[in-house]
Amino acid sequence: GEDVEQSLFLSVREGDSSVINCTYTDSSSTYLYWYKQEPGAGLQLLTYIFSNMDMKQDQRLTVLLNKKDKHLSLRIADTQTGDSAIYFCASGAGGYNKLIFGAGTRLAVHP
Amino acid sequence: EAQVTQNPRYLITVTGKKLTVTCSQNMNHEYMSWYRQDPGLGLRQIYYSMNVEVTDKGDVPEGYKVSRKEKRNFPLILESPSPNQTSLYFCASRQTGEGFQYFGAGTRLSVL
Repeated sequence: GEDVEQSLFLSVREGDSSVINCTYTDSSSTYLYWYKQEPGAGLQLLTYIFSNMDMKQDQRLTVLLNKKDKHLSLRIADTQTGDSAIYFCASGAGGYNKLIFGAGTRLAVHP
Repeated sequence: EAQVTQNPRYLITVTGKKLTVTCSQNMNHEYMSWYRQDPGLGLRQIYYSMNVEVTDKGDVPEGYKVSRKEKRNFPLILESPSPNQTSLYFCASRQTGEGFQYFGAGTRLSVL
C-alpha cells in the first residue's frame, strides 16, 4: 500500500536552518502537505505543494519536491524555539479520500 | 471561527464500557474523518464520511463504529473498548475534493 517515511528526530541550534525530509510511494498524489503538531495540540496545516510544482516558499518555509525521486523536504530558515514540534509529511492519496501520514519528525531547537 | 471540535479531550475508561467521542465542524464540510495517532506510526485513518449517511472504512476500522446523520457531526463509537485502543484520536474535515483538512485538538483515550 501507499507509504510515507520520514526520520523521527532532528535537533538544531537556534538560528540555524532545519531541513526535514520525507519520501512517499504514491505517484498519483496530487498534493503533499506539511503539518505541525505542538505539544498537547492538534495538527495545524503548515504548508502544502501541488504535485506539478518543484518549490514553494512561504516566509521562513521552503518546500522542495522532487517528483522523480518522490522526495519532499521542508526547510525552516532561522529556526526558533517556537518551531519545536512534531512535523508530519502527508500525501493526498488516490480518490481524494484520505491522507497518508508519515510517522512524524520531532524537531528540537536548542540555544 | 472555523473549527473542528472534539469532546472529550481526555478520557479514561475500562475495558468493555461503551463510549462515544463526539466531533463537530462549523464549516459545512462534506468530508469528515477519524484518525488515531500512535508513537512511531503517525496518523492512521479509522473511518471517513463523504457526506451524510455515507461512511466507509479506513485503514484500521476494527473495533470502531461511526455514524453521519447530520453534516456537522461525526461521532466515533467504541462499543467494547480494549486496551489496544488506547491512543490519541483526531477528527478532521474538509470540502470534498483535494484540499487540506482541518483537525480537531484531539482526544486522548486510555482504556484500562
